[in-house]
Amino acid sequence: QVQLQESGPGLVKPSETLSLSCTVSGGSVSGHYWSWIRQAPEKGLEWIGYRYYSGTTNYNPSLKSRVTISLDTSKNQFSLKLKSVTAADTAVYYCARGFPGYYDSSASFWVEYFQDWGQGTLVTVSS
Amino acid sequence: ETLLTQSPGTLSLSPGERVTLSCRASQSVSSSSLAWYQQKPGQAPRLLIYGASSRATGIPDRFSGSGSGTAFTLTISRLEPEDFAVYFCQQYATSPPTFGPGTKVDLK
Repeated sequence: QVQLQESGPGLVKPSETLSLSCTVSGGSVSGHYWSWIRQAPEKGLEWIGYRYYSGTTNYNPSLKSRVTISLDTSKNQFSLKLKSVTAADTAVYYCARGFPGYYDSSASFWVEYFQDWGQGTLVTVSS
Repeated sequence: ETLLTQSPGTLSLSPGERVTLSCRASQSVSSSSLAWYQQKPGQAPRLLIYGASSRATGIPDRFSGSGSGTAFTLTISRLEPEDFAVYFCQQYATSPPTFGPGTKVDLK
């Protein structure tokens, strides 16, 4: 059973960059899709993006200009960077392992559902 | 982007009751690429159903999913005390994957 654990600062100042890491145990980051998903307080779930171990990335168009997801196979980790944050980016951030469920040929991406999740980490954007 | 709506917003029920939750998509969801998740306070979502009707590993058989096209249903045949939670649907037929707003099942 794969386990995931998020880590990173719980408080980020407006206009700065949010940086989180996800450590994977019980499995390798090689060969899977690794995603970030967030949930604003009392709100629903929003997919941020994924990185496949081969290097392919797919980001939510609503965040694409500000997001980078990278993989560190030596540490068995993947990470999220979200730049130029505002209060609207305050949320619980989850890392997750995705399973490629369907190929969206119009977008040329596999689209996932999510079997394994981290416990989540609250990031507050405030000065 | 495929938008998902869920109804009702909240259900107040008693243990032992049968539960039917609805999820509707703004466009047809290809190959029934729809999943259901359960989320309890302070916890991450847990995958219950994928492919509209396939139970994830370790999910009790009182949970079942059905539907196709734009209309999907999650049924809990007999509500157990640990089933009081929020339930989300998610489509993975089109990118970006999107989630419904959730249905809260609480204790009557």
